[in-house]
Amino acid sequence: GAGVSQSPSNKVTEKGKDVELRCDPISGHTALYWYRQSLGQGLEFLIYFQGNSAPDKSGLPSDRFSAERTGGSVSTLTIQRTQQEDSAVYLCASSLERGWGETQYFGPGTRLLVL
Amino acid sequence: AQSVTQPDIHITVSEGASLELRCNYSYGATPYLFWYVQSPGQGLQLLLKYFSGDTLVQGIKGFEAEFKRSQSSFNLRKPSVHWSDAAEYFCAVGAEDFGNEKLTFGTGTRLTIIP
Repeated sequence: GAGVSQSPSNKVTEKGKDVELRCDPISGHTALYWYRQSLGQGLEFLIYFQGNSAPDKSGLPSDRFSAERTGGSVSTLTIQRTQQEDSAVYLCASSLERGWGETQYFGPGTRLLVL
Repeated sequence: AQSVTQPDIHITVSEGASLELRCNYSYGATPYLFWYVQSPGQGLQLLLKYFSGDTLVQGIKGFEAEFKRSQSSFNLRKPSVHWSDAAEYFCAVGAEDFGNEKLTFGTGTRLTIIP
């Protein structure tokens, strides 16, 4: 079956512009996660959704970052007024249910470059 | 807060040789431990995971890892590496933090295989 998909695969934007990154989880997966992979910070957790709800948004790096999930499926990560330090690969993962007994399946990522 | 240390940034081994990648974690409770592999241009793939029980865990692609509580370690091993094992390897600890279920990753170890 289809895995986690993310779009776009690559995005180049100018500093100050807004960007939207999309994640399509595996069908039926209730839990969804966003991570960021950057040279300076390694792999860092951003936010987790159970269904459409995110219990806590404190992992988001700044108030320029927001995320939503609708219909228990697709999620969008939005970065407003992008900065050069936002350049990174943004990874999405999903799992069937919450809990560590469930494997997180990762998408291929969106590579974001802010000029 | 939980943390993961992978002391080796880059390891080079000959094809057919044995491999051990080191991982040390810090977490107050019983950890949920994972090893992921990321091949060039690919997403993260789960190799194996440890929750409880037998401290020697078998994974895919011939990998295994041993949990040693006394050493706070979860080292990854393979008896004989193949050229296709060249990739970046990430150790991670799973924790629940203010309702978030999140993976905290190490900085990764890049594995190069030489003929």
